[in-house]
Amino acid sequence: DTGVSQDPRHKITKRGQNVTFRCDPISEHNRLYWYRQTLGQGPEFLTYFQNEAQLEKSRLLSDRFSAERPKGSFSTLEIQRTEQGDSAMYLCASSSSDYHQETQYFGPGTRLLVL
Amino acid sequence: AQTVTQSQPEMSVQEAETVTLSCTYDTSESDYYLFWYKQPPSRQMILVIRQEAYKQQNATENRFSVNFQKAAKSFSLKISDSQLGDAAMYFCAYRRGGADGLTFGKGTHLIIQP
Repeated sequence: DTGVSQDPRHKITKRGQNVTFRCDPISEHNRLYWYRQTLGQGPEFLTYFQNEAQLEKSRLLSDRFSAERPKGSFSTLEIQRTEQGDSAMYLCASSSSDYHQETQYFGPGTRLLVL
Repeated sequence: AQTVTQSQPEMSVQEAETVTLSCTYDTSESDYYLFWYKQPPSRQMILVIRQEAYKQQNATENRFSVNFQKAAKSFSLKISDSQLGDAAMYFCAYRRGGADGLTFGKGTHLIIQP
């Protein structure tokens, strides 16, 4: 296991289309996080899962966004009716829930461009 | 709400010299963690160093060390013997104890001059 992986790495879509991204965490990690990073900014937290339960959602996560982690392993992030403002890098991170082992390890990201 | 401020959008240092990146944060929590992450151009975010708020001793990882001033809510990163491979965006991040997401600063672009 070499780390967090994300697919696809790049996605170009037209405004109004739906897109779905996948994240595979480090295998022994039970926590999984999604962030959004726009150009020149630090990542912003969107949501996180512990196992299959979605425990927190940022107010940045509008109704058009939905995330799932059905079996507590990989996760998907879907954006419906994409808008140009959704163009960003979408980062996934994972961590262990063991006390003091909670460092988050990031994947390479999915870069989304909405035309 | 917690905030993280990095006041230096860009820093430049000569190779082999030492540079310090600044970070301040605001929180009312007593249990929290602080991190420095490095994001090279077009590459993924990697952890440089982390500090638990309850620890008084400053964290050190090889050429990287922090100056954690809890009362002042300051968390600076010192890079000694700078190398060309250190060139990247550096993000300071905060997380309260528990399982919240990270709150990031806007980043500092570090340039290494050969």
